[in-house]
Amino acid sequence: AQSVTQPDIHITVSEGASLELRCNYSYGATPYLFWYVQSPGQGLQLLLKYFSGDTLVQGIKGFEAEFKRSQSSFNLRKPSVHWSDAAEYFCAVGVADGATNKLIFGTGTLLAVQP
Amino acid sequence: KAGVTQTPRYLIKTRGQQVTLSCSPISGHRSVSWYQQTPGQGLQFLFEYFSETQRNKGNFPGRFSGRQFSNSRSEMNVSTLELGDSALYLCASSLGWDSYEQYFGPGTRLTVT
Repeated sequence: AQSVTQPDIHITVSEGASLELRCNYSYGATPYLFWYVQSPGQGLQLLLKYFSGDTLVQGIKGFEAEFKRSQSSFNLRKPSVHWSDAAEYFCAVGVADGATNKLIFGTGTLLAVQP
Repeated sequence: KAGVTQTPRYLIKTRGQQVTLSCSPISGHRSVSWYQQTPGQGLQFLFEYFSETQRNKGNFPGRFSGRQFSNSRSEMNVSTLELGDSALYLCASSLGWDSYEQYFGPGTRLTVT
């Protein structure tokens, strides 16, 4: 069955430190992978996506992610975290499901940023 | 281009009542998906509409229904509300039924008392 695992429920980093959020997926076909960010009380904002090609993808707000097929991973990184990055981050895989395509989300990682 | 809009943003209802939530997709987007987000279950897919047709449905009871209009706007309806229906309901739009790239609205926070 298709699934997405985000093993870290909560992460705290200091402002200016580097960040890596982990994501592993289970899907038999070529994955379409996404990272979204959600601020409190808000909807989800698309940070970046991987469809094919270069396995290192750049997104908005200085984020990047690397697709590693051998590890079924799509980890999100940022070299220097800002206080405004505190939010919840969701990894998702796009799957073909019957007549349509849909997103399957991980359970999210809540990022706290210490001054 | 305006983003996805959802109305109302907040709603308080009583058990047994019904509720209708509205979603207007990004201009040019013809597919609308609905998700329920709760602390316990996370983000769960409800259903997707394209060209006024429901193309996919998640594992939710029949109390949850939806529809899409010719201008791609969508509504979802929950009848006979239960306490467990309290959640953030998110709408997402995409260009077509075969598009994985979805853009989300701010959500409607439903509280059932």
